Amino acid sequence: DSGVTQTPKHLITATGQRVTLRCSPRSGDLSVYWYQQSLDQGLQFLIQYYNGEERAKGNILERFSAQQFPDLHSELNLSSLELGDSALYFCASSSRDRNRNYGYTFGSGTRLTVV
Amino acid sequence: AQKVTQAQTEISVVEKEDVTLDCVYETRDTTYYLFWYKQPPSGELVFLIRRNSFDEQNEISGRYSWNFQKSTSSFNFTITASQVVDSAVYFCALSEGATDSWGKFQFGAGTQVVVTP
Repeated sequence: DSGVTQTPKHLITATGQRVTLRCSPRSGDLSVYWYQQSLDQGLQFLIQYYNGEERAKGNILERFSAQQFPDLHSELNLSSLELGDSALYFCASSSRDRNRNYGYTFGSGTRLTVV
Repeated sequence: AQKVTQAQTEISVVEKEDVTLDCVYETRDTTYYLFWYKQPPSGELVFLIRRNSFDEQNEISGRYSWNFQKSTSSFNFTITASQVVDSAVYFCALSEGATDSWGKFQFGAGTQVVVTP
């Protein structure tokens, strides 16, 4: 157990639908990152939240959105799903101290299949 | 522009052979972090090593070793005496050190390692 919990592990849904992926960061970590791993795009950064606020955006589609709640868990919402959204979605959390020492941990991922 | 390049798509070896995975990165930051991750068929990302740009000391850990060369922007990874359980996709990743970039990993395309008995 990495300490980062992602649910569900697998999700199958139809095109046009909306799904929510959930991530609970490692205890004490304030930053949450979302990544998408698809066959054609590889592993790419989607979005980062830090202590409830959006910190950075990567190649995230407008149909996708995320938020981080006061208890620091995060949700990634995917809407109007297309076949090409089928991918493995990873969440990661991190913490960093002033001495540049930090931990960075990935969850086990949610495999989304759009049919 | 791609910042992390793993030129090898797939490497096939016979058990007990050594495997070296190449990684070339590009960054303008003077402080950055490099990582190797392993992704077995089960799909999870397994952390192998992190190196800071200000620490060029290479290391050997069991059957794994790393060669970090800032002069050539390379961070290569070697598995000595490979085993079937080493079969996986290996990713090199870069995290730049600037506050707004730190923690955002840029991954290479990955190298599939196939170890046959």
